[in-house]
Amino acid sequence: KQEVTQIPAALSVPEGENLVLNCSFTDSAIYNLQWFRQDPGKGLTSLLLIQSSQREQTSGRLNASLDKSSGRSTLYIAASQPGDSATYLCAVPRVSEKLVFGKGTKLTVNP
Amino acid sequence: EAGVAQSPRYKIIEKRQSVAFWCNPISGHATLYWYQQILGQGPKLLIQFQNNGVVDDSQLPKDRFSAERLKGVDSTLKIQPAKLEDSAVYLCASSRLVGRMYEQFFGPGTRLTVL
Repeated sequence: KQEVTQIPAALSVPEGENLVLNCSFTDSAIYNLQWFRQDPGKGLTSLLLIQSSQREQTSGRLNASLDKSSGRSTLYIAASQPGDSATYLCAVPRVSEKLVFGKGTKLTVNP
Repeated sequence: EAGVAQSPRYKIIEKRQSVAFWCNPISGHATLYWYQQILGQGPKLLIQFQNNGVVDDSQLPKDRFSAERLKGVDSTLKIQPAKLEDSAVYLCASSRLVGRMYEQFFGPGTRLTVL
């Protein structure tokens, strides 16, 4: 059974700081890993999708890495801004593309 | 490209009442999902459709929850009767094939409060 864990559960940083969010999964036989952002009262926005054959993906100030052998992924946010404040979720698919989510990391970036 | 649409955005009902949620996926997306997200948790898949057929409903509480996607486009999720523990955000998603993988896109969700 796939389990996804995200550490830390919450993180508060000053504006401009670089930060790393962690995601670990128990079953390394995954097709891909997806990072999402969720703003309060809103749905999920896909940030990055890493294929199992890739080691990282970049989009603007975001960089996600994937290490299947160790069952880990990290989301790196450079030069954080108050607008980055949200909950960040990682998810990995099981069979039939069914996504298994972590509980998320709630990020607060203080001006 | 329009995103996944859901309605209503908020619903408050009393326990034992019935409620229905509606979802319109992104045009052309054959796969549609309903997730339940309890406060402080990640979303949990309730049911997955491929066109109008059910692919996975293993975590759907079938004694009270039902879902349909009659024409392979819009979908409805119903709860009858509702319990206090059904209070959650219900998310609808649809997916497209990216290479050999499916990328899911989520709607804004319906926040259900059961009193």
